[in-house]
Amino acid sequence: KAGVTQTPRYLIKTRGQQVTLSCSPISGHRSVSWYQQTPGQGLQFLFEYFSETQRNKGNFPGRFSGRQFSNSRSEMNVSTLELGDSALYLCASSLGDRPYEQYFGPGTRLTVT
Amino acid sequence: AQSVTQLDSQVPVFEEAPVELRCNYSSSVSVYLFWYVQYPNQGLQLLLKYLSGSTLVKGINGFEAEFNKSQTSFHLRKPSVHISDTAEYFCAVSEGGYGGSQGNLIFGKGTKLSVKP
Repeated sequence: KAGVTQTPRYLIKTRGQQVTLSCSPISGHRSVSWYQQTPGQGLQFLFEYFSETQRNKGNFPGRFSGRQFSNSRSEMNVSTLELGDSALYLCASSLGDRPYEQYFGPGTRLTVT
Repeated sequence: AQSVTQLDSQVPVFEEAPVELRCNYSSSVSVYLFWYVQYPNQGLQLLLKYLSGSTLVKGINGFEAEFNKSQTSFHLRKPSVHISDTAEYFCAVSEGGYGGSQGNLIFGKGTKLSVKP
């Protein structure tokens, strides 16, 4: 089976712009979770989508949003970018049921200047 | 609330020496436990997992971990490390119950393992 894919792999944006990241899960997986990884805060959970519905959400401002399509592919959007949004954004897919074993993509490295 | 503590942020070790990376968690419900490895500029790769049953679990690349419920620990071990094991290792937990924070993993801050020749 193909693994989790994320596009683009690298992105440079300017403060105030918005950005959309894409994630394609492993075939058959219905859950997609997004994480932000920074040197200072480590890995932080953004949100999880299951069957096109947001099922769980972390403590991030409303500028961070996401959606999931009927084929389980997911997108994450960040509006009004800030310098502090520079990070590696990781997508993980799972079957969506316990034990929530997750498989990660290679990530999108976002740099905000 | 769940939390995961990785007691060492950096662990230097010589090649062929044994290594233990420590992980403690706190949770009021039953949990599932995972170790992931991250090589530079890559995503996370699942090393091993504890779901239930035997408390000693074996994973890829010769790693193993032992679940200790009384000490709420899930330490990762390898009897003999290689240069190629140099990476960052993350311990993670998800809740075993229903509802609440289902669907997401809580990660520790990571331990950077540096294997020297």
